[in-house]
Amino acid sequence: GQSLEQPSEVTAVEGAIVQINCTYQTSGFYGLSWYQQHDGGAPTFLSYNALDGLEETGRFSSFLSRSDSYGYLLLQELQMKDSASYFCAVRRDTGRRALTFGSGTRLQVQP
Amino acid sequence: NAGVTQTPKFQVLKTGQSMTLQCAQDMNHNSMYWYRQDPGMGLRLIYYSASEGTTDKGEVPNGYNVSRLNKREFSLRLESAAPSQTSVYFCASSFRDSIQDEQYFGPGTRLTVT
Repeated sequence: GQSLEQPSEVTAVEGAIVQINCTYQTSGFYGLSWYQQHDGGAPTFLSYNALDGLEETGRFSSFLSRSDSYGYLLLQELQMKDSASYFCAVRRDTGRRALTFGSGTRLQVQP
Repeated sequence: NAGVTQTPKFQVLKTGQSMTLQCAQDMNHNSMYWYRQDPGMGLRLIYYSASEGTTDKGEVPNGYNVSRLNKREFSLRLESAAPSQTSVYFCASSFRDSIQDEQYFGPGTRLTVT
């Protein structure tokens, strides 16, 4: 079967750095994406890694190690508005662009 | 640009009733998707359409049908609703050749089946 493991909840304070890990076990792997979802809202795209290494987009960075079937999302200079759920998602093959999502990590940023 | 739009926003059905969820995108995307999200969980793919005229089953297709009416529109039909189909339904779209693989999501339809 397909599985993506993420911590269910993480708490951090404003201004801090937090790392959300994702390990995956899927039949086929093409790339790892991260999405943010605020309560009652729609998921929005944050980042994508197809190759090993770090991708940086402003305060957010994402890392992938294909040999370890592992990735993480790093959020720096946390702000209250970063309180949301974060989902990792795997694209499993070159043809189908559909995603398999993890269950999500709920991030609570405290003042 | 409106992006991805979905109707209705909320719906309550009785067991056995049918309904169609509508989705449209104005970004000229090739691929469109239907996901469902149950409380505290990630999204699960119901159906997928790589391009106009093609559809493919996802992880949880049972009890659903889809129609890719044209490039813009992708509808999801529940023929005989069941309480297990109570969920939030998201439609999404993407460019077929996007390097970043970014999917754009609609605001969702919150469906309750009693």
